[in-house]
Amino acid sequence: DAGVIQSPRHEVTEMGQEVTLRCKPISGHDYLFWYRQTMMRGLELLIYFNNNVPIDDSGMPEDRFSAKMPNASFSTLKIQPSEPRDSAVYFCASSSFTGTPYGYTFGSGTRLTVV
Amino acid sequence: KQEVTQIPAALSVPEGENLVLNCSFTDSAIYNLQWFRQDPGKGLTSLLLIQSSQREQTSGRLNASLDKSSGRSTLYIAASQPGDSATYLCAVTAGGNKLTFGTGTQLKVEL
Repeated sequence: DAGVIQSPRHEVTEMGQEVTLRCKPISGHDYLFWYRQTMMRGLELLIYFNNNVPIDDSGMPEDRFSAKMPNASFSTLKIQPSEPRDSAVYFCASSSFTGTPYGYTFGSGTRLTVV
Repeated sequence: KQEVTQIPAALSVPEGENLVLNCSFTDSAIYNLQWFRQDPGKGLTSLLLIQSSQREQTSGRLNASLDKSSGRSTLYIAASQPGDSATYLCAVTAGGNKLTFGTGTQLKVEL
C-alpha cells in the first residue's frame, strides 16, 4: 500500500476562494481523521470518520469548513470562503486496530497558504 | 479534557549520547500511546505504539515505556545519530479513538 495519500501537496489561494483538500486512506483502515497543524496551536483534530460516517466534528473551527467521506477510499475537506487565518498544514490520517499497518498512519500533508 | 505535555521542548546532544524524551498526560484512562517523528516540512512517521495493557515497546535503538497510573511515557533513544534530528511527538488515544498530541520535543544531534 502507498500509505495515506493527500493532494495537493501545496495550495496557494486568495482570500474568499474555495479550497478543497483530498485524502485517500489506507485500504482496510476504518477510521479517517483530518488534523490541522500551526506553530501557535500545534496539531488539532478537526473531524474524524468511522466507516465513512462522521463521528466527531467538534474541532471544525466554523461553518466555513466541511468534510465528506463518500466512500471508504476518499475524503475531502473543503473551506469556503477561505481566510488568511486558515493558512496551515492539513494532515489526513487513517487507522486500524484489526489490520495492517496497525495504529495510525499520516499522510504527507497539504500546506495551505491563503493570501 | 486530556492535555499532553512534552519536556523538554528542545534538546541538543552530541552524537553517540543516549537520551530520554518525556511525555505526560492528565487523564490516565487511555487506550494507547503513540510516538511519532516529524522532519521539517514533512508528515508524521509512526515510531512506536504502546497499548494501555503494555508497559513498553522496542524498535531498534528506540524504547518507549508507559506508566498509565502516573500518566507518563518516556522515549529512550540509544546511541543517537545526526539522522535522529527531528521533532518527536507523543499522542494518546482516549474515548472515540482520536489522538491528542503533545507539543513536541525538537531534537538536534550534533556531530
